Amino acid sequence: GAVVSQHPSWVICKSGTSVKIECRSLDFQATTMFWYRQFPKQSLMLMATSNEGSKATYEQGVEKDKFLINHASLTLSTLTVTSAHPEDSSFYICSARDPLAGVNEQFFGPGTRLTVL
Amino acid sequence: DAKTTQPNSMESNEEEPVHLPCNHSTISGTDYIHWYRQLPSQGPEYVIHGLTSNVNNRMASLAIAEDRKSSTLILHRATLRDAAVYYCILRLIQGAQKLVFGQGTRLTINP
Repeated sequence: GAVVSQHPSWVICKSGTSVKIECRSLDFQATTMFWYRQFPKQSLMLMATSNEGSKATYEQGVEKDKFLINHASLTLSTLTVTSAHPEDSSFYICSARDPLAGVNEQFFGPGTRLTVL
Repeated sequence: DAKTTQPNSMESNEEEPVHLPCNHSTISGTDYIHWYRQLPSQGPEYVIHGLTSNVNNRMASLAIAEDRKSSTLILHRATLRDAAVYYCILRLIQGAQKLVFGQGTRLTINP
């Protein structure tokens, strides 16, 4: 099956710094990737839809200047949390759709746990 | 997005069948019913999906009510590795492929 990886798997940073999280589709080309955030004991919240070669579409209430998304190639999307604060500490998960596999299944990465001190 | 309602938690015993219900009374004719599950500290994984007819795959079965206002995910013989949060999600056939997750059902399997 299709594999999606994320890097790093966990990161600790100081308040005010920026952190970049990578999402890669390893064995397929993903024209569309999605970014989610999950707080402890809560469900996944969709942050944005990332389309290769174009601007990301952000969900209502998500600050696009704080969560910068770049989808420069068909196998890589990045999420940069700018000027991170403790309230940004969360589990960030990406997913990707393999257009050749049909529209019915999304493949999720293992997640990145961000802790902001 | 049409809304789904699931019990917060369920418990079952190992090697017994598990029936996870989902209500989606506002479903439209263009919504697929998807099920994903999330094991602790991992990203979700696809389980099964359907539109109108019941579906079977190697992981589970999906029983869809005739009026499509509810569905049931069936794990035929639960193992400890099936302990996870199970999400029932409606997705439009056309248009945006995004998945909107509800609260899901936390399934506990007793040995």
